[in-house]
Amino acid sequence: NAGVTQTPKFQVLKTGQSMTLQCAQDMNHEYMSWYRQDPGMGLRLIHYSVGAGITDQGEVPNGYNVSRSTTEDFPLRLLSAAPSQTSVYFCASAPQGSDTQYFGPGTRLTVL
Amino acid sequence: RKEVEQDPGPFNVPEGATVAFNCTYSNSASQSFFWYRQDCRKEPKLLMSVYSSGNEDGRFTAQLNRASQYISLLIRDSKLSDSATYLCAGPYRGSTLGRLYFGRGTQLTVWP
Repeated sequence: NAGVTQTPKFQVLKTGQSMTLQCAQDMNHEYMSWYRQDPGMGLRLIHYSVGAGITDQGEVPNGYNVSRSTTEDFPLRLLSAAPSQTSVYFCASAPQGSDTQYFGPGTRLTVL
Repeated sequence: RKEVEQDPGPFNVPEGATVAFNCTYSNSASQSFFWYRQDCRKEPKLLMSVYSSGNEDGRFTAQLNRASQYISLLIRDSKLSDSATYLCAGPYRGSTLGRLYFGRGTQLTVWP
């Protein structure tokens, strides 16, 4: 199993550009989440999903959209990138009934 | 008040020392807590889960004090390889839907 994979590993955007961060898992986990990590801030929940077709907002959802058309994939879309979205983004998955998260390797995003 | 609060440290200890980290939590309904380890520029990885009074795994002991609403992580006989950031986490808004609320992390450096 590859576990949780994320692409790209690194990305530089200009203010106003849009892009999609990809996340996939091959463990058949129902739960998937997106977090961002900033220095001194820990990980903050952006959006999460409890299954295909079901998503909800986390702590810091503004500026991001998600969809969950399959169990495996949970892409995160930045509609109009802003410098405040410069961060490291982690995708995570968990089996149903569990809070144990399995993290992907992260995407380092810089918005100029 | 944040759901999980953690002393950011840093903690600098010599090899062989015993070190303890604490996290406080605000949602008394939360049933499960976690300690994650994060190495520099890597994803967090689960270190220990705490579901009741405590959990022990070799040199690591995690405890939950429901009366005072805090969790702790004790590392005995510290090794150089224990140097990392340790994140505590609890269920986001007290739920068990695979989403977590993380503390800001405590940085540990073990020196020879």
